Amino acid sequence: AQSVAQPEDQVNVAEGNPLTVKCTYSVSGNPYLFWYVQYPNRGLQFLLKYITGDNLVKGSYGFEAEFNKSQTSFHLKKPSALVSDSALYFCAVRDTSFKTIFGAGTRLFVKA
Amino acid sequence: DADVTQTPRNRITKTGKRIMLECSQTKGHDRMYWYRQDPGLGLRLIYYSFDVKDINKGEISDGYSVSRQAQAKFSLSLESAIPNQTALYFCATSESFNQPQHFGDGTRLSIL
Repeated sequence: AQSVAQPEDQVNVAEGNPLTVKCTYSVSGNPYLFWYVQYPNRGLQFLLKYITGDNLVKGSYGFEAEFNKSQTSFHLKKPSALVSDSALYFCAVRDTSFKTIFGAGTRLFVKA
Repeated sequence: DADVTQTPRNRITKTGKRIMLECSQTKGHDRMYWYRQDPGLGLRLIYYSFDVKDINKGEISDGYSVSRQAQAKFSLSLESAIPNQTALYFCATSESFNQPQHFGDGTRLSIL
């Protein structure tokens, strides 16, 4: 069965430090992977996606994600965190029936 | 104006009542989705529609029904609301299966 796991409920990082939000997946066939961010009282907003091509994908707001096929991971990264990056982050994968499966979410706290 | 609009934004109602949540979009997308979000569970798919004549059950469709009135409108109904349907509900659209989804800002539903 297709699935997405975000092993950390919460990630804490100091402003200016690099951040990583982890995601692993299980799908049949080639994975279509997405990251979304949710701010309070708002819907999810698209950050970036991996369909094919380069393993390092660049997205909005300075975020990037590294696709690793052997480890079935798609970790979200940013070289220098901002307080305004504090939010809830969701990893998602498209399954073989063309629906999107979302992870449980990881809350990111960036401390000034 | 928002591309995906959900009404109402907040609703408090009683057990047994019939509730309708509405979603309209100006993005011109054929694909529309209804999700519910619960803390620690991420987003779970309730129903989805790939065009006006196509309606499909998602992961958790029991107790819910939908209507796709037009390409731009997709409503979700709870025929007889129960307390465990208290959640945050999101409508989303997408252009195709490998494109990101665009979310409304959600409806916070409380059933007493």
